[in-house]
Amino acid sequence: QSVLTQPPSASGTPGQRVTISCSGSSSNIGVDNVYWYQQLPGTAPKLLIYNNYRRPSGVPDRFSGSKSGTSASLDISGLQSEDEADYYCTAWDGRLKGYVFGTGTTVTVL
Amino acid sequence: EVQLVESGGGLVQPGGSLRLSCAASGFILSNYWMHWVRQAPGKGLVWVSRMNKDGSRTDHADSVKGRFTISRDNAKNTLYLQLNSLRAEDAALYYCVRDFVGAEDYWGQGILVTVSS
Repeated sequence: QSVLTQPPSASGTPGQRVTISCSGSSSNIGVDNVYWYQQLPGTAPKLLIYNNYRRPSGVPDRFSGSKSGTSASLDISGLQSEDEADYYCTAWDGRLKGYVFGTGTTVTVL
Repeated sequence: EVQLVESGGGLVQPGGSLRLSCAASGFILSNYWMHWVRQAPGKGLVWVSRMNKDGSRTDHADSVKGRFTISRDNAKNTLYLQLNSLRAEDAALYYCVRDFVGAEDYWGQGILVTVSS
């Protein structure tokens, strides 16, 4: 059972902005960093955002992350067809002593 | 070129055991924390275990604590996951991950574990 809550789906037309939320608690997002992964169909996940808002080398600046209190968000601006994928948030949970993932959000480009 | 190649998966009966291996190449394994993450078919990601650089510290998810054991042999550039007392709900694609959530995060392609009688 996932500890972090995400909407199951999100969609937009090419060029639009899509925002994915990730809701946690005081034992995870409230006290630690949030990370975001993109998983294209049939492939291993790829890190998009680390330490709440930082992008690894090679990740387009269309992807941005933010955190406030016990929630976080991933914004995809200028949506492109290749952004169709599943997106997961994750954070360390100090009570469970392990990383917890969000329920995952499937992004569809209309 | 960085590579993580998992092996050792397959079909096992409930209550059985498997040992997964993750062969690392293209980098020095002893420089990184290593993790295992799993994903049941059609389901989301679940963090399983982690081990620090020299193997002196481990953490496991509650769902596998006491049944799974992560280990490493830095001299052989290999990470392991021993899976004991397997249950149907352990069936998943198991990913070996370098520097999970870090700037040098890198995932293998995964190895499938099927638990069925």
